[in-house]
Order: sequence, then structure tokens, then C-alpha cells
Amino acid sequence: DAMVIQNPRYQVTQFGKPVTLSCSQTLNHNVMYWYQQKSSQAPKLLFHYYDKDFNNEADTPDNFQSRRPNTSFCFLDIRSPGLGDAAMYLCATSLTGGGSPLHFGNGTRLTVT
Amino acid sequence: QKEVEQDPGPLSVPEGAIVSLNCTYSNSAFQYFMWYRQYSRKGPELLMYTYSSGNKEDGRFTAQVDKSSKYISLFIRDSQPSDSATYLCAMGSRGGSYIPTFGRGTSLIVHP
Repeated sequence: DAMVIQNPRYQVTQFGKPVTLSCSQTLNHNVMYWYQQKSSQAPKLLFHYYDKDFNNEADTPDNFQSRRPNTSFCFLDIRSPGLGDAAMYLCATSLTGGGSPLHFGNGTRLTVT
Repeated sequence: QKEVEQDPGPLSVPEGAIVSLNCTYSNSAFQYFMWYRQYSRKGPELLMYTYSSGNKEDGRFTAQVDKSSKYISLFIRDSQPSDSATYLCAMGSRGGSYIPTFGRGTSLIVHP
């Protein structure tokens, strides 16, 4: 089945220790998104790619970086995680930028100790 | 005022009840409306996708859009305990780099 796969499902890191979360897709969608979701809150968009074009949300901290080496893969790098960065990180894809629905992975739950 | 308002609940109903979940919005440019179901510790799963006003039915689920009132609803008939989840509404406008705006989600509990 075509899908969006995130690894790992659970990640524990220490305060200040860099961490990388990964996302792959078999849907061949053009757009990939990274969201941060905290408990009982709406998903908050961090960045998105339309093909190779990177779009950073204005309020995304510099601590967060992203890479999309090819159509199928996208990475979220957190350079120096703080306790406030503990959250569920969701990767999503959509076919085009014109209103097609988002398809989400199952997320990576990040714990910062 | 937030762009999309959604009551977080929790909404607790008995099995078999008809459930009504709602969102209001302020941006009249929104044309696409989606409902996602999110189980605990999982990613959101697309349930319904509608364009402009009107109704769409899929099994026990009906999505309703009233653009004149800037109000959307999701109805669940014959609710089951397996429907217990958080339901997120999302909406967006055509064109450009499509970025939907999400509501914060309503927690639904269907008890046997």
C-alpha cells in the first residue's frame, strides 16, 4: 500500500543533543510537510517542500532544519533540542499545491530528557 | 479570533448515538474542507474531503459545509466505541502553495 512512513516512532534524546527524524513516502507526491503537534493542540506547520522548493514558516525556530534529498525522503533535524521541543512530529504529503488533501504518517513522538 | 475554531471537548456519547462535530471559520476564501480522525499516538487519517458548500456522505459519516455561515459539520451515525478518537477539521483555499489551516480537534468518547 502507498503510504507515508516515519521513523522512528518514538525517539528519546537528551537536552541539547541533535536528533534527526525521517519520513519516506511511496505516494510520489510533490509536496511534503513537517508539523509539530503538542497535546490537545492543532498541528503546527514547521516547513513544507514543493518538490525541491523549501518553505519555512516565519515562526519556526532556527533550531529546526529540514532536508529533502529526493522526492521520497524528507528529514527533520533538531540541532539543540530543548524541553519545549518534546512533541509529536508529523510528516505529511499532498499531491499538488492546489488543494489536494494531506496524507499523514503515524508520527514520531519525541521526548527530551 | 482564530481562523478556525473547534471545541476541544471531550464529547462523551453512548454507543449508537448520532454525533455532531463542528468547526467555524473566519476566512471566506476557504474552499476545501477536510475532516481527519486521529487515534491516540497515531497520525491523522483523512475521513472526508469536500469542496465548497453542500453535503457528502460516506457510510456512517456525513460532512456538511455551509459557506454562508462559515460552519462545517461532521455527523457520525450509529457511533461505535471504535469511533473514539480526536477529530480534526482542516480547510484551505485553492492556488499557490496550499497550506490547510487546522482546528485543534474535538476528543470524542463513545462508551458501550
